Amino acid sequence: DAMVIQNPRYQVTQFGKPVTLSCSQTLNHNVMYWYQQKSSQAPKLLFHYYDKDFNNEADTPDNFQSRRPNTSFCFLDIRSPGLGDAAMYLCATRGARDRVWETQYFGPGTRLLVL
Amino acid sequence: SQQGEEDPQALSIQEGENATMNCSYKTSINNLQWYRQNSGRGLVHLILIRSNEREKHSGRLRVTLDTSKKSSSLLITASRAADTASYFCATAPSYQFYFGTGTSLTVIP
Repeated sequence: DAMVIQNPRYQVTQFGKPVTLSCSQTLNHNVMYWYQQKSSQAPKLLFHYYDKDFNNEADTPDNFQSRRPNTSFCFLDIRSPGLGDAAMYLCATRGARDRVWETQYFGPGTRLLVL
Repeated sequence: SQQGEEDPQALSIQEGENATMNCSYKTSINNLQWYRQNSGRGLVHLILIRSNEREKHSGRLRVTLDTSKKSSSLLITASRAADTASYFCATAPSYQFYFGTGTSLTVIP
């Protein structure tokens, strides 16, 4: 039973053509995260939402935006993808049980290719 | 950068041997977690150790934490070919997560 779902699993876009990646969760978690992971590197946190509060990492480029219309869904928008944005994009969620923060749950990722 | 560091970057062992990987981090933490990632896949949570714990076990996994040295180690005992993957530590100063650089483990059958 998938708990964090990412669509599509593979996305091909053209240089400069806006693209949106989707993440949904069935866990009802407060926090949703977007990470970028390039080949043989660690996942890099781009931003996260705590409920509706958006938190951007200081070094995340302006080219990356995010929307969270409700608890279940979170989108990553890349306004003008460059060749350097080709990567795996990972969505994760996290919630608290009895006021104790639990671990993150990751989706399978969307691999983005920029032509 | 909040990112921690892991060593070794790559580790190759024979099936049945133990594998040890280390993680060093920079900030104070509430907990430290270890994740596994198979090639081209998402991350799978392995084990969480809280800042007031020194050692934790889960099956063939043993994790230690030394907050005075800001370091942790992951030991996989009696390794199997299926353990071949990348292993990342992640620290959570608050509810953000920051991943270490990762160790690529290859277990040779």
